[in-house]
Amino acid sequence: QKEVEQDPGPLSVPEGAIVSLNCTYSNSAFQYFMWYRQYSRKGPELLMYTYSSGNKEDGRFTAQVDKSSKYISLFIRDSQPSDSATYLCAMSDGQAGTALIFGKGTTLSVSS
Amino acid sequence: DTGVSQDPRHKITKRGQNVTFRCDPISEHNRLYWYRQTLGQGPEFLTYFQNEAQLEKSRLLSDRFSAERPKGSFSTLEIQRTEQGDSAMYLCASSLARRASEVNEKLFFGSGTQLSVL
Repeated sequence: QKEVEQDPGPLSVPEGAIVSLNCTYSNSAFQYFMWYRQYSRKGPELLMYTYSSGNKEDGRFTAQVDKSSKYISLFIRDSQPSDSATYLCAMSDGQAGTALIFGKGTTLSVSS
Repeated sequence: DTGVSQDPRHKITKRGQNVTFRCDPISEHNRLYWYRQTLGQGPEFLTYFQNEAQLEKSRLLSDRFSAERPKGSFSTLEIQRTEQGDSAMYLCASSLARRASEVNEKLFFGSGTQLSVL
């Protein structure tokens, strides 16, 4: 079992839909949880950054962390065609300089 | 543009050749990371620098790989005797840690160097 599991999709939704993206993990030491967006032939771009359990909202994006279930989610409200990209979850145990562990990424396509 | 810059964007080489990639981090960032990403996978950590010191290396980083960050500024990643399995996107990221012990995992990535080994 990999440390971080993420359904690769692809996921196709119509414009305006609510999108739910998820990752599960096995390492209970993970404390920092991130979501990155990656457009084709580009590097990942940080979208959301959360520490420990709870919710964080930023515009149309909401990140949720449930450490008891080792499960994190990213919700996108009112999805737009410009949201079409690969979404990568990433996490770390918070030791200085420790590498981020990434999921495989979920490819999202939003049609107009 | 003040983001992370990587050069070249694309590199095609023959098996057995040496290649070198360059990364220029965001100017005030003191940490610099190299990751590798293959098609359909998330980035995998290779190595990381705090200023000029290379502090951590992944098991993925074989003896054919070497990275440097002279004077804590730009970094280079060299692959010697390339193999077809080295074909991947090589990503550089940087971050700012105000103290050596600070945990700061907000990484800012460059657009990567796509390596194809024929």
